[in-house]
Amino acid sequence: TQLLEQSPQFLSIQEGENLTVYCNSSSVFSSLQWYRQEPGEGPVLLVTVVTGGEVKKLKRLTFQFGDARKDSSLHITAAQPGDTGLYLCAGANPGGTSYGKLTFGQGTILTVHP
Amino acid sequence: NAGVTQTPKFQVLKTGQSMTLQCAQDMNHNSMYWYRQDPGMGLRLIYYSASEGTTDKGEVPNGYNVSRLNKREFSLRLESAAPSQTSVYFCASSETGGGPYEQYFGPGTRLTVT
Repeated sequence: TQLLEQSPQFLSIQEGENLTVYCNSSSVFSSLQWYRQEPGEGPVLLVTVVTGGEVKKLKRLTFQFGDARKDSSLHITAAQPGDTGLYLCAGANPGGTSYGKLTFGQGTILTVHP
Repeated sequence: NAGVTQTPKFQVLKTGQSMTLQCAQDMNHNSMYWYRQDPGMGLRLIYYSASEGTTDKGEVPNGYNVSRLNKREFSLRLESAAPSQTSVYFCASSETGGGPYEQYFGPGTRLTVT
């Protein structure tokens, strides 16, 4: 059973376009994290959101945690080729159990063409 | 400050051979994790260790064993490798306690079993 559904699985866009990646679940998470992974490397943490309704901005990236702490979105404005990579969402402590463990979505492979 | 290190980076095994993947972290984290990453499946937890001296099964533990050697080191052993264990393996570490459970990943080990 996949607790975190991430969509879309693939995204291919032109430089300058905007995009949104979604991460949805029926479980409540104590926090939700977004990671970015480049080929041949491990995932790198981008941001953690903790409070329902929280919005965090990281330059051209905007992260939002749903009010009920069951879903999240990542919006990229004016995408650049350097944004290309695999984006992973991960929820912590689903349903109040399993402290410390993360549940990962399947990932979104983003390709930004010059 | 190296973060999380993994050895080896690449490995090719024949079916039935055994090997140990090594992981070390220098961030004084209590918790450590082993994941495997396969195309379209995100990251799946194999085993984790919430603290020195404890280990627990994750989502896909069959065919693997782990040892938490001390607070810094967490190894993953394949006793009799199978082609289904061809994957990229990542080690990660995090603090626990009250959260938010942000994980820091190593660069991965790319394993092929023929």
